[in-house]
Amino acid sequence: NAGVTQTPKFQVLKTGQSMTLQCAQDMNHNSMYWYRQDPGMGLRLIYYSASEGTTDKGEVPNGYNVSRLNKREFSLRLESAAPSQTSVYFCASSPPGNYEQYFGPGTRLTVT
Amino acid sequence: AQRVTQPEKLLSVFKGAPVELKCNYSYSGSPELFWYVQYSRQRLQLLLRHISRESIKGFTADLNKGETSFHLKKPFAQEEDSAMYYCAPSNNAGNMLTFGGGTRLMVKP
Repeated sequence: NAGVTQTPKFQVLKTGQSMTLQCAQDMNHNSMYWYRQDPGMGLRLIYYSASEGTTDKGEVPNGYNVSRLNKREFSLRLESAAPSQTSVYFCASSPPGNYEQYFGPGTRLTVT
Repeated sequence: AQRVTQPEKLLSVFKGAPVELKCNYSYSGSPELFWYVQYSRQRLQLLLRHISRESIKGFTADLNKGETSFHLKKPFAQEEDSAMYYCAPSNNAGNMLTFGGGTRLMVKP
């Protein structure tokens, strides 16, 4: 099992550009999550998906959109990147009835 | 609103010294509590959860409901314990975690 995978590992964007961060899990988990990690602020939830076909906003959703394409995949889209979105982005998944979350390796995004 | 506070951004101790990483939370209901760890160049992973009441890598965490704290402790720190540690209560439904700001533990030789 690869667990939770994320692509790309690194990305540099110019202000106003768009991109999609990909996340996939092979553990048959129902719930998936997108976080951003900023120094001193821990991980903040951007969006989550409790099951295929559903998505909900987290703490910091502005400037992002998500798609739960199927049970395995949960993508995060930045339509018009801003320097404030420079961060490390983590995807996670969780099985039903188990509060533990399993994390991907992260995507380091820089917006100039 | 749910809040999680880890008051120390950096904790530096010598090898063999006791270590305590503090976590205070403000939550309604009875959340499940977790500690996650991120070693250098590795992904975030679960260290321990309150409900299992187990010791992982020599770490334990005691829930104090009166003080709403869930401090992480280890009697004798090792260099390989150097990492970022995050306290994370779940919501009552169990489908969301709120992470504290994290504490970087440095264990010096």
